[in-house]
Amino acid sequence: GIQVEQSPPDLILQEGANSTLRCNFSDSVNNLQWFHQNPWGQLINLFYIPSGTKQNGRLSATTVATERYSLLYISSSQTTDSGVYFCAVEAASGTYKYIFGTGTRLKVLA
Amino acid sequence: EAGVAQSPRYKIIEKRQSVAFWCNPISGHATLYWYQQILGQGPKLLIQFQNNGVVDDSQLPKDRFSAERLKGVDSTLKIQPAKLEDSAVYLCASSSGPSVNEQFFGPGTRLTVL
Repeated sequence: GIQVEQSPPDLILQEGANSTLRCNFSDSVNNLQWFHQNPWGQLINLFYIPSGTKQNGRLSATTVATERYSLLYISSSQTTDSGVYFCAVEAASGTYKYIFGTGTRLKVLA
Repeated sequence: EAGVAQSPRYKIIEKRQSVAFWCNPISGHATLYWYQQILGQGPKLLIQFQNNGVVDDSQLPKDRFSAERLKGVDSTLKIQPAKLEDSAVYLCASSSGPSVNEQFFGPGTRLTVL
């Protein structure tokens, strides 16, 4: 089945710093989402981005489907950005289900 | 628009006991998913419903787990009997279409099996 790897596994930033999180996948995909899991365990949608670039405030994401990766950019990080970031993909072979990546644990220090 | 609702939020049981979780998806969403998330890992799909039919239950431990979505709206997930390794967060998600589209998650139920 499709493999999804995220990097880095852990990241510590000072408030105000910028960061880039990466998601690599081993096969073609139909769908891709980025999620933020906050310290209370809630999975929050960030982007639905099977291809192209999207921006939402301080966050933006780019998926290059032909090269099998997606990037999540966080600018001017805040302490509330802390948590775990997951990407999830649906393989183009039509499994109709998401496979989640390994996650990036982010801690933003005040 | 109301999000995905789940209850209870927390549950503590002894091993070999039974437990049930409830999920109400976003109104109009035909597809409903149950995931299991063990501490330190990403969510893993247990079962996917399209309306009230099962699309994928390949990773559901059917000897002890069962799920139903009788009227194509809300759903229940049951574990009977529970084992220590079932301690996890159980997440429900929904999406609008028959393919994956965009999934929206509920707050989850944290299960502790003692």
